[in-house]
Amino acid sequence: NAGVTQTPKFQVLKTGQSMTLQCAQDMNHEYMSWYRQDPGMGLRLIHYSVGAGITDQGEVPNGYNVSRSTTEDFPLRLLSAAPSQTSVYFCASSLGTGPGGYTFGSGTRLTVV
Amino acid sequence: GQQVMQIPQYQHVQEGEDFTTYCNSSTTLSNIQWYKQRPGGHPVFLIQLVKSGEVKKQKRLTFQFGEAKKNSSLHITATQTTDVGTYFCAVPRTSGSRLTFGEGTQLTVNP
Repeated sequence: NAGVTQTPKFQVLKTGQSMTLQCAQDMNHEYMSWYRQDPGMGLRLIHYSVGAGITDQGEVPNGYNVSRSTTEDFPLRLLSAAPSQTSVYFCASSLGTGPGGYTFGSGTRLTVV
Repeated sequence: GQQVMQIPQYQHVQEGEDFTTYCNSSTTLSNIQWYKQRPGGHPVFLIQLVKSGEVKKQKRLTFQFGEAKKNSSLHITATQTTDVGTYFCAVPRTSGSRLTFGEGTQLTVNP
């Protein structure tokens, strides 16, 4: 049981490049979310999903796309990277109901130059 | 969506002193969650509070949910260096989706 797996752990992009951050969970969790964390800004929700085929925008969705074709995977796509997207990205998942919270991946540290 | 204000932003204590962080909302919350993030790490779920006036304890950590379900606190008794990190409160929608985090309280403990 690996939990939430994020790849890559580190990435450097040039402005204008696109890439996909991968997130996979093996806990059969229905809910999955993407957050970005910047110094002094806490965790801000980018996109979230309550099940396969269902996604919705969070607080800061601009410049990012997501899809949820399976329960396990929730990739985050950066369409045209900008320096403002330099951040640490966390994927998280949850059963959705019941007393448990979200399980977070170890994060992807992205730098856009 | 629901928002919470968390204070203080920073707290420096001597080892053995107590520590408290507070979260406040202008709206009634269905529940509130608490997370801890060690430096360089990822957030780790600590607890969820659901009932009005609820108090839960985990060793030296005490979590409270206000009677009006608009505020919550996390209290650490006799801090240790292992308590260092940032503590976040987070509130979900009633369905459990769309978890919104407070800005966190960064705790440093001087040995």
